[in-house]
Amino acid sequence: EVQLVESGGGLVKPGSSLKLSCVASGFTFSSYGMHWIRQAPKKGLEWIALIYYDSSNKYYADSVKGRFTISRDNSKNTLYLEMNSLRSEDTAMYYCAKDILSYWGQGVMVTVSS
Amino acid sequence: DIQMTQSPSSLPASLGDRVTITCRASQDIGNYLRWFQQKPGKSPRLMIYGATNLAAGVPSRFSGSRSGSDYSLTISSLESEDMADYYCLQSKESPFTFGAGTKLELK
Repeated sequence: EVQLVESGGGLVKPGSSLKLSCVASGFTFSSYGMHWIRQAPKKGLEWIALIYYDSSNKYYADSVKGRFTISRDNSKNTLYLEMNSLRSEDTAMYYCAKDILSYWGQGVMVTVSS
Repeated sequence: DIQMTQSPSSLPASLGDRVTITCRASQDIGNYLRWFQQKPGKSPRLMIYGATNLAAGVPSRFSGSRSGSDYSLTISSLESEDMADYYCLQSKESPFTFGAGTKLELK
């Protein structure tokens, strides 16, 4: 059974940093691209980043480019999202998702507030 | 960036109705279009990929179609478990972009 479990969220102040993790199981993690998608409270979905299976390519939404970094460790079956210079508008539920977005994690909440 | 214009934003409907949600792409995206269902407090669920392909486990009352740059999700006979938010997503090129969403609710 495919499982994706996010962690690392919390309440942080504007300008600070946070690193999210997504541990994958139930499939060959090193063979699939992975995404991060977020959803602000009561708002729609926003795709924010994609990393290829071998980390050879990474893509970002304009809203996070230069502040967020997607990475992965295939030896640990783990996807990461390093978030710097956080803003109030980054407050959202963050989901990791596999490949064609056929599987999603349960999400982890990030709140940016002073 | 490719814009996805989704309509309607809200769709009141009755059980048994045939309902259709539409997304229009601002540029050619071929069949790189997916549909997701999201229920309150839950993660999104992939319903349709490649514009017309039913994802695993999705009931056959759901279908996807394309006419030019317009993409549609149709539910042939609405059931109570279908009440949810629906989103389209283009995955033709980065940045991938979602439609604004459609809230399907009971009339």
